[in-house]
Amino acid sequence: SQQGEEDPQALSIQEGENATMNCSYKTSINNLQWYRQNSGRGLVHLILIRSNEREKHSGRLRVTLDTSKKSSSLLITASRAADTASYFCATDGPGANNLFFGTGTRLTVIP
Amino acid sequence: GAGVSQSPRYKVAKRGQDVALRCDPISGHVSLFWYQQALGQGPEFLTYFQNEAQLDKSGLPSDRFFAERPEGSVSTLKIQRTQQEDSAVYLCASSLGSGNQETQYFGPGTRLLVL
Repeated sequence: SQQGEEDPQALSIQEGENATMNCSYKTSINNLQWYRQNSGRGLVHLILIRSNEREKHSGRLRVTLDTSKKSSSLLITASRAADTASYFCATDGPGANNLFFGTGTRLTVIP
Repeated sequence: GAGVSQSPRYKVAKRGQDVALRCDPISGHVSLFWYQQALGQGPEFLTYFQNEAQLDKSGLPSDRFFAERPEGSVSTLKIQRTQQEDSAVYLCASSLGSGNQETQYFGPGTRLLVL
């Protein structure tokens, strides 16, 4: 079974709007990562946030982490059509080197 | 190469056939992972190598799945006697080090369809 779940499952917005995706997970973590997957392509790493961090920025991306609620959010500002993709959160697990992925949010940005 | 490459990109197999999927990680990367991604789902972990050692194979769904990385670089995932439920995208990822805070770089995947 997968570690996390993203919410919403699908999101459709107009170009220029902001998009917010949420991720909840089940066990304690050392870090949480967000990945993007375009149709038919591999996963691209976007950002990593450590368990002792609450917020992190990278370009148009803003990630927050609330370990007390076991949740994270990814905000994409000023969205572009090229942001259309599926977004996954991924966490490490206790004693594991691999990542546990959520179910993903499918984002569509309408030009 | 510049990134992780996988071959073939697409594979159609008849039920019962054996298949072999190849992964070329980024040169010098110590860690290599295999994931299985069903349609509409997130990737699920299959197995992990540190150099040539297979340290974790807890995600392999059955003994029909076998992975190797004999020289610590290229890896092969083999599925014997394929079943329809094996249809999925198989993703390979590599990372420079062995810690769980390392960024994993993913290949484009092999899409397997078992008829």
